[in-house]
Amino acid sequence: SQKIEQNSEALNIQEGKTATLTCNYTNYSPAYLQWYRQDPGRGPVFLLLIRENEKEKRKERLKVTFDTTLKQSLFHITASQPADSATYLCALESGANNLFFGTGTRLTVIP
Amino acid sequence: SQTIHQWPATLVQPVGSPLSLECTVEGTSNPNLYWYRQAAGRGLQLLFYSVGIGQISSEVPQNLSASRPQDRQFILSSKKLLLSDSGFYLCAWETGGKLFFGSGTQLSVL
Repeated sequence: SQKIEQNSEALNIQEGKTATLTCNYTNYSPAYLQWYRQDPGRGPVFLLLIRENEKEKRKERLKVTFDTTLKQSLFHITASQPADSATYLCALESGANNLFFGTGTRLTVIP
Repeated sequence: SQTIHQWPATLVQPVGSPLSLECTVEGTSNPNLYWYRQAAGRGLQLLFYSVGIGQISSEVPQNLSASRPQDRQFILSSKKLLLSDSGFYLCAWETGGKLFFGSGTQLSVL
């Protein structure tokens, strides 16, 4: 079965720096991969989707890369702000009607 | 625009009691709908999905059931709750492979 590993449970960075979160997966070749943001006690919010034939996708201060050879996606937040503090979830397409989620990385941006 | 409503926000229920969580979607027709559960420190687990009225697919065997009595209504139920049913329950609708979640229900079974 597929497995997703997000690099660390928690990541602390200084405001203004670039946060880099890692998502590694095994036993599958997803057609696309997604990143979501989740705040405490709230549902996840969709951020970005990247397809297997795309190397990189950007949205404002967010950048996602997708390396199907390494089976890895990197999620970058540039010029990080305290408001970016949240848990970020990686999810990969896992067959029809299913997204398989990682356990998330809790990011804290320190002012 | 589309919105998704989920209630209640929190629920405390005794073991053995029944459960009914409701989810409704506005602004779209014939959506694919999902129920996920998130246990502490674990990823989101898909419980059920539905592609239309009366069509329910279950991903894991469990103490729960789902129903879709109307196009934009999705209900999660249990006849008798177990301690292990505690968790954060999320309803979602899907478009273009992306999921849009409700605000969730924190269920504590005591």
